[in-house]
Amino acid sequence: DIQMTQSPSSLSASVGDRVTITCRASQDISNFLAWYQQKPDKPPKSLISDASTLQSGVPSRFSGSGSGTDFTLTISNLQPEDLATYYCQQHSAYPLTFGGGTKVEIK
Amino acid sequence: EVQLVESGGGLVQPGGSLRLSCVASGFSFSSYTMNWVRHTPGKGLEWISCISSGGSVTHYVDSVRGRFTISRDNAKNSLSLQMDSLRAEDTAVYYCTRDTYGSSSTDYWGQGTLVTVSS
Repeated sequence: DIQMTQSPSSLSASVGDRVTITCRASQDISNFLAWYQQKPDKPPKSLISDASTLQSGVPSRFSGSGSGTDFTLTISNLQPEDLATYYCQQHSAYPLTFGGGTKVEIK
Repeated sequence: EVQLVESGGGLVQPGGSLRLSCVASGFSFSSYTMNWVRHTPGKGLEWISCISSGGSVTHYVDSVRGRFTISRDNAKNSLSLQMDSLRAEDTAVYYCTRDTYGSSSTDYWGQGTLVTVSS
């Protein structure tokens, strides 16, 4: 199975900050990487697929990059409503696997 | 509007069974691969299983293979997960999800249904 490692596991940032979350795959997954946002007591929401393709309706302050084994989710101009846990997922091979999550808190 | 509505969760004893259902609307259900994903506060998100659009191909994570069975009824726009030999570690919120068309990533999630396995 492909292991996904996210870092950091948590972070605290101020409104307006630029936030970067990294995700590393245990083997080459090309660009088959998705990002999801889960707010407290809510179902996850899809943000990005194929490493950098924004899902419909996702604000442009969210962006994704990377290929192979190393990927990044960037939130530019952090907003209060971005308080959430963010997960990466490889969709290259079954079983699909998620990273452990990054909890983003607002200072 | 795409909607996925899960039902069937509840409290069950270890070793027991439960059947989850998901009713889809707002899209051509028979054209999409569908999944079950679960969430626990301690472990985060875990992909469980998927079924191809026509129902002929299924995949499972090792921890549930042989105990869980995914199925679908395209005439009724419904997805099911039969869960047998349940264990305490199966306690989670279970989500029905839709694949992004042409990709194995997810674009839509249901609201989830809670399964608690406890004596």
